[in-house]
Amino acid sequence: EAGVTQSPTHLIKTRGQQATLRCSPISGHTSVYWYQQALGLGLQFLLWYDEGEERNRGNFPPRFSGRQFPNYSSELNVNALELEDSALYLCASTPGGRTNEKLFFGSGTQLSVL
Amino acid sequence: AQSVTQLDSQVPVFEEAPVELRCNYSSSVSVYLFWYVQYPNQGLQLLLKYLSGSTLVKGINGFEAEFNKSQTSFHLRKPSVHISDTAEYFCAVTPNTNAGKSTFGDGTTLTVKP
Repeated sequence: EAGVTQSPTHLIKTRGQQATLRCSPISGHTSVYWYQQALGLGLQFLLWYDEGEERNRGNFPPRFSGRQFPNYSSELNVNALELEDSALYLCASTPGGRTNEKLFFGSGTQLSVL
Repeated sequence: AQSVTQLDSQVPVFEEAPVELRCNYSSSVSVYLFWYVQYPNQGLQLLLKYLSGSTLVKGINGFEAEFNKSQTSFHLRKPSVHISDTAEYFCAVTPNTNAGKSTFGDGTTLTVKP
């Protein structure tokens, strides 16, 4: 069974551009979570989608947005990129939004903003 | 709101030595506690979790953790480490009333030397 897959693996953009990151959850999982892992800052919660709806959002500006498609895959969009957006973006999935479920993580997309 | 503090950013140890990675948390509600491991260029994998019951939790790869409610700690231990345990370790908490929003510590880099 395939795990959580993220694409692209690496993404290089310049300031002001837009970035789109994609995530496919494990088959049967309906919840998708996005985290930002910036150097030295640990994992910061970005967004949580479940059943196509945004359920929760971390302390990030509105230029960070996303959506979840009917097949439960998800996109993270970052508009007006800034240098400090450079980070590893991790996607995780769970069968549902139950808090006692472990998160299944993808390998991440390394976004570099030049 | 909750917060997680991993007290050591770097822990170097020699192979076959015991190790303890420390994690303290604060929360105004009851939480579930997790330890994840991240190997280079990979996403995070669950090591173990505490939901309820026995305060000593055993996980994969010989790791265990003890939940101490009075000290609000969830320290990770292994009696004898291997070179292959070299990785970054993250402590995380999830409130049992707010699905989806796990809070992670900043991580502890464990380096096992021969």
